[in-house]
Amino acid sequence: NAGVTQTPKFRVLKTGQSMTLLCAQDMNHEYMYWYRQDPGMGLRLIHYSVGEGTTAKGEVPDGYNVSRLKKQNFLLGLESAAPSQTSVYFCASKPQGSEKNIQYFGAGTRLSVL
Amino acid sequence: RKEVEQDPGPFNVPEGATVAFNCTYSNSASQSFFWYRQDCRKEPKLLMSVYSSGNEDGRFTAQLNRASQYISLLIRDSKLSDSATYLCVVNTISSGSARQLTFGSGTQLTVLP
Repeated sequence: NAGVTQTPKFRVLKTGQSMTLLCAQDMNHEYMYWYRQDPGMGLRLIHYSVGEGTTAKGEVPDGYNVSRLKKQNFLLGLESAAPSQTSVYFCASKPQGSEKNIQYFGAGTRLSVL
Repeated sequence: RKEVEQDPGPFNVPEGATVAFNCTYSNSASQSFFWYRQDCRKEPKLLMSVYSSGNEDGRFTAQLNRASQYISLLIRDSKLSDSATYLCVVNTISSGSARQLTFGSGTQLTVLP
């Protein structure tokens, strides 16, 4: 059981380049989330999805887009990368109806924008 | 003011020591509370949920004071393997009525031999 899988694990971009981060979960979870983690800031929510075909903005959505075309996949796109987007990105998922709201995380993607 | 604030740390303690972490949250409507553990360069993983009556899991004890909006984690008889960053996490309802987690910035613990 793979759980939550993120690809790639590492990436270096030049300013202005675009890329897509892929998150895949095999637990049939309804909810999926994208976070970024920066030193001293904790995890901050970028975008989330409560089901296939739906997405919503989190705390820090600017500069990112997302898509949830399939229930098991949640894609995070950077159309024009900026150095401020250098961070560690975590994807998480949660089953619907989980009152305790426990989320399961992927291993993270380390992105550097030069 | 941050929604979830934690002791800045770092905490460096000898093996076998007892160590306590504190956390405060600002949203009085918060409903669920957790401690996550994050090892260096790894993803966060749930350590334990926090209940109003307090709860214990082996060497770990979590407590919640809703009136003071305060959460704590106590680690007894600390082990080298307890070295990690401990994240205080609060479940809130966002403006879109979706439940979200709000993370503290974490407290780093190093247990020394």
